[in-house]
Amino acid sequence: KAGVTQTPRYLIKTRGQQVTLSCSPISGHRSVSWYQQTPGQGLQFLFEYFSETQRNKGNFPGRFSGRQFSNSRSEMNVSTLELGDSALYLCASSWRGEYTGELFFGEGSRLTVL
Amino acid sequence: GENVEQHPSTLSVQEGDSAVIKCTYSDSASNYFPWYKQELGKRPQLIIDIRSNVGEKKDQRIAVTLNKTAKHFSLHITETQPEDSAVYFCAASYRGSTLGRLYFGRGTQLTVWP
Repeated sequence: KAGVTQTPRYLIKTRGQQVTLSCSPISGHRSVSWYQQTPGQGLQFLFEYFSETQRNKGNFPGRFSGRQFSNSRSEMNVSTLELGDSALYLCASSWRGEYTGELFFGEGSRLTVL
Repeated sequence: GENVEQHPSTLSVQEGDSAVIKCTYSDSASNYFPWYKQELGKRPQLIIDIRSNVGEKKDQRIAVTLNKTAKHFSLHITETQPEDSAVYFCAASYRGSTLGRLYFGRGTQLTVWP
């Protein structure tokens, strides 16, 4: 089966710009969550969507936002980019009718802010 | 919220030796503890998990132990091989939280020398 797909894989932006990242979950998965990964910080939770509704949000500023579409695909947006936003952004999907706990990650979108 | 501490941050072992990575958590409501392995340039993948009603779980060369009283859990890898080299993340969550929210430790870079 197809895994979680994230696009774009790599992108370079400058400070002040905005960026939109896309995530296509595993077919049938209804939950999509986003994580920011930076060296030494591990994976920090951004937000989670389930059935087009944001269910939970981490401790990130309002510049970070997201949404989920009726086909479970999700996008996240970062506005007014800062140097510190450079990171690997990981999307993970889960839930096909029962809670197993396992998250299935995509390969990430690596954002570099210059 | 939950806080997960992970130690050590780096670990080097000789092939064939055992490796142990330890994590502590702060929220006694946490009841699910997965471990993810992330090889260089790859996505994090679940390797083993344990729930709070179990004290130990094994899967071939890897095992996880949980001490609820002390709020700590550990990953044990026996007979290490070079392909075990990766970053390992522990995490915690509780079933009452949303499906996609895991609280991750900062990771342990394991290097297995041949």
